[in-house]
Amino acid sequence: GDSVTQMEGPVTLSEEAFLTINCTYTATGYPSLFWYVQYPGEGLQLLLKATKADDKGSNKGFEATYRKETTSFHLEKGSVQVSDSAVYFCALSVLEESSYKLIFGSGTRLLVRP
Amino acid sequence: DGGITQSPKYLFRKEGQNVTLSCEQNLNHDAMYWYRQDPGQGLRLIYYSQIVNDFQKGDIAEGYSVSREKKESFPLTVTSAQKNPTAFYLCASSARTLTDTQYFGPGTRLTVL
Repeated sequence: GDSVTQMEGPVTLSEEAFLTINCTYTATGYPSLFWYVQYPGEGLQLLLKATKADDKGSNKGFEATYRKETTSFHLEKGSVQVSDSAVYFCALSVLEESSYKLIFGSGTRLLVRP
Repeated sequence: DGGITQSPKYLFRKEGQNVTLSCEQNLNHDAMYWYRQDPGQGLRLIYYSQIVNDFQKGDIAEGYSVSREKKESFPLTVTSAQKNPTAFYLCASSARTLTDTQYFGPGTRLTVL
C-alpha cells in the first residue's frame, strides 16, 4: 500500500546551518506531497506542498522538490533558526472512494541550538 | 478569522466513561477528519466525513464514534470500548472538491486516569 518514510530524528543543528530532512514515498498513481510542521503542544500547520513531478514547494525559506524518479520529497532550508525547532511531517495524498486521505510519515524532530 | 477550533485543549477521563471532543470550522469546507497522534508517531485516521450526514471509518475506528449533523461541526466520541484512549487528537478539514490540502485544528490532549 501507499506509505511515507522519513529519516529518524532528532536532527540537531546549530543556528544558520543547512537543513535536509529526507522523505521517500511509495504510491500508485501521482499523489500530491506535503510537508507539515508541528510546534510543541499544537496542531499541524501546512508548510508547503507540490502536486506533480518536478514541482517545487516553498515557504518561509523551506523548499522541497517532487522527484518522481527517486520517489522523494526532501525538505531543505539554507539557514535554520532556533524558532524552526519543531516536528516535521511528510505526507502524501491519495484519492479513495472519491475522498482525499493523507498518509503521514512518523515525523522528524528538529532541534536548533543558538 | 477563519479556522478550526477544538475544545477542550486538555481533557481527563476516568476509565469506563465516554467523552466527546468538539471540532468546529468556519472555512465552509465540505470534508472533515479526525486523527489520533501517539508520542513519537505519525497521525492515524479515525473517521472522516465528506458531507453532512455521511461519514466513513478510517484506519483505527474501533472504540470511536462520530456524527456530522452540521457542515461546521464534527464531534468525536471516545467510548469506553477504546482500549487505549490516551493520546493527542487532531481534527482537520478540506474543501473536498477543490483541493486535497487539509488544515488542522490545535488538538485536544485526552488523558485517561
